[in-house]
Amino acid sequence: LAKTTQPISMDSYEGQEVNITCSHNNIATNDYITWYQQFPSQGPRFIIQGYKTKVTNEVASLFIPADRKSSTLSLPRVSLSDTAVYYCLVAPNSGYSTLTFGKGTMLLVSP
Amino acid sequence: EPEVTQTPSHQVTQMGQEVILRCVPISNHLYFYWYRQILGQKVEFLVSFYNNEISEKSEIFDDQFSVERPDGSNFTLKIRSTKLEDSAMYFCASRGTGTGGPPYTEAFFGQGTRLTVV
Repeated sequence: LAKTTQPISMDSYEGQEVNITCSHNNIATNDYITWYQQFPSQGPRFIIQGYKTKVTNEVASLFIPADRKSSTLSLPRVSLSDTAVYYCLVAPNSGYSTLTFGKGTMLLVSP
Repeated sequence: EPEVTQTPSHQVTQMGQEVILRCVPISNHLYFYWYRQILGQKVEFLVSFYNNEISEKSEIFDDQFSVERPDGSNFTLKIRSTKLEDSAMYFCASRGTGTGGPPYTEAFFGQGTRLTVV
């Protein structure tokens, strides 16, 4: 399993764009990069997934450089409700693959 | 939106007692999981289940743990003899329609059962 490294915590203010970078130097050819969000006392929630280049959905964007050794989750114009832990996961896009969570990045959004 | 439901939301039990945590995964999903999260720590994988059998388990999932899918809808985690260190939030998750739908890495998690062993 590819190991991931993320900042332990980040601070931001409402209305700002937040970029959380994840390193995954040992990513395998068949691995996808997936981000989850977790609020206190709730289960993780899928945000976005990508393989290469850029992926965008209604919640976030995911930027993946050509070497795929890192990825950046971009949250546009965060609000207080975006305060949560964000996890970067690397795994094959298969139902058999185990989702392994690291410690994640605690994002605190202040007024 | 479909969701994974877990019961009970909170369970308090005495050390040494057996507990059964229940989950109803999303109906057309094929892969089922249990995770746990000790307070302030990361989400830890316990076990995955597919085609009515365990497909993978972690070191945490020892002989005290078992899983079952007794009917077409429920998925249970049993802890035979609870220990104080089993106190944690337990999350059930499901994913995969097997029909090329959402990414297979999009797992849907329940709200969790907070287990307190006293």
